[in-house]
Amino acid sequence: EIVLTQSPATLSVSAGDRATLSCRASQSVSSNLAWYQQQPGQPPRLLIFAVSTRATGIPARFSGSGSGTEFTLTISSLQSEDSAVYYCQQYKNWPPYTFGQGTKLEIK
Amino acid sequence: EEQLLESGGGVVQPGGSLRLSCAASGFSFGSYVMSWVRQAPGKGLEWVSIIGASGDTPYYTDSVRGRFTISRDNSKNTLYLQMNSLRADDTAVYYCARSVGYCNAGTCYRYFDVWGRGTLVSVSS
Repeated sequence: EIVLTQSPATLSVSAGDRATLSCRASQSVSSNLAWYQQQPGQPPRLLIFAVSTRATGIPARFSGSGSGTEFTLTISSLQSEDSAVYYCQQYKNWPPYTFGQGTKLEIK
Repeated sequence: EEQLLESGGGVVQPGGSLRLSCAASGFSFGSYVMSWVRQAPGKGLEWVSIIGASGDTPYYTDSVRGRFTISRDNSKNTLYLQMNSLRADDTAVYYCARSVGYCNAGTCYRYFDVWGRGTLVSVSS
């Protein structure tokens, strides 16, 4: 089973600034990595798949990068509605599909 | 609009059973692979099960294999999860999710692009 480790657990960033979230895989997942946003009381929403491809309707200020075992989600020009928990997910080796434990992003 | 709507959650005693349903609308349900993903209270996401577009090739996470059964009725645009021998650690919000991606050399690689709002399953005596 591939373990995904996200860091930091909590991130507090001012509105208008940039947030950088990390996801590390226990072994290579190639480019089979997705990111999700979960706002309080809501289901997860797909943000990015294949490391860097934005899902339909996702603003350009969300971007993904990385390869192999190290991945980054960058959110620029932070807005209040970006306050959420963000999860990475690998779909290289399954079952099981696995998720990271999440990074909680707080907007100051 | 593509939508998924789960139902069937509730409170059940340990060892009991529940059947969850997920009604799909706004897309060609029978053309898509579907999954169940759960989230324990205050915890992260855990993939539970996946089923092929025609109801074939179900897979399960180890902790539910032999107790849960995924199925679908494409004529009713509905996905199911039959949960037996429920345990306290099955307590979670259960989401159905459309599973998309690509296949290469006989292996498919899928992420989850449409999610329902979830249904809460609470296992408690």
